[in-house]
Amino acid sequence: GESVGLHLPTLSVQEGDNSIINCAYSNSASDYFIWYKQESGKGPQFIIDIRSNMDKRQGQRVTVLLNKTVKHLSLQIAATQPGDSAVYFCAENFGGGYQKVTFGTGTKLQVIP
Amino acid sequence: DAGVIQSPRHEVTEMGQEVTLRCKPISGHNSLFWYRQTMMRGLELLIYFNNNVPIDDSGMPEDRFSAKMPNASFSTLKIQPSEPRDSAVYFCASSPVGGGMETQYFGPGTRLLVL
Repeated sequence: GESVGLHLPTLSVQEGDNSIINCAYSNSASDYFIWYKQESGKGPQFIIDIRSNMDKRQGQRVTVLLNKTVKHLSLQIAATQPGDSAVYFCAENFGGGYQKVTFGTGTKLQVIP
Repeated sequence: DAGVIQSPRHEVTEMGQEVTLRCKPISGHNSLFWYRQTMMRGLELLIYFNNNVPIDDSGMPEDRFSAKMPNASFSTLKIQPSEPRDSAVYFCASSPVGGGMETQYFGPGTRLLVL
């Protein structure tokens, strides 16, 4: 039968503005979370991680917020630049081990110059 | 360092054909991972090796998939016979043993289309 095309949700942001990308995770027992950046035609790249005993972690221009009550993760990018244009997806890890990691499908960030 | 190298970058084949994907990890990295990425399911771990030994292959979809790592600098993922539902981007990643996910480096991927 005919296949339906899938499209990633897209966030368009003006250069210099802050970006907020959201992720809902599924397992309340997950204790480790990761954000990845994936540019077109490239493999995923680790950006920042956070453990469940924290609710906020900052890196260079990026901040991850974790709300365990509603199982929500967000990635904030300050002063968004054209080079930030990519797909961003989160991952959750429950119980340790590489096989116990679930990856999201992602959000496409478009930076408007 | 050249990073993780994968070949081919693109592969188009017909259903029933054998497909072999290749990976050269970063020198000195002793863990190697094979992932599959689709729009529907995101990234999924298929199998990983430590020091050339397969540690966990529970993510391998079925017997049509097999992976080998004959030495520290080379690994293959084979699909035989291939099916249209195998169409995806296949990534290889490497890391130091016990390094954690933050130390994984991904290759550029092989985009596979099975007609």
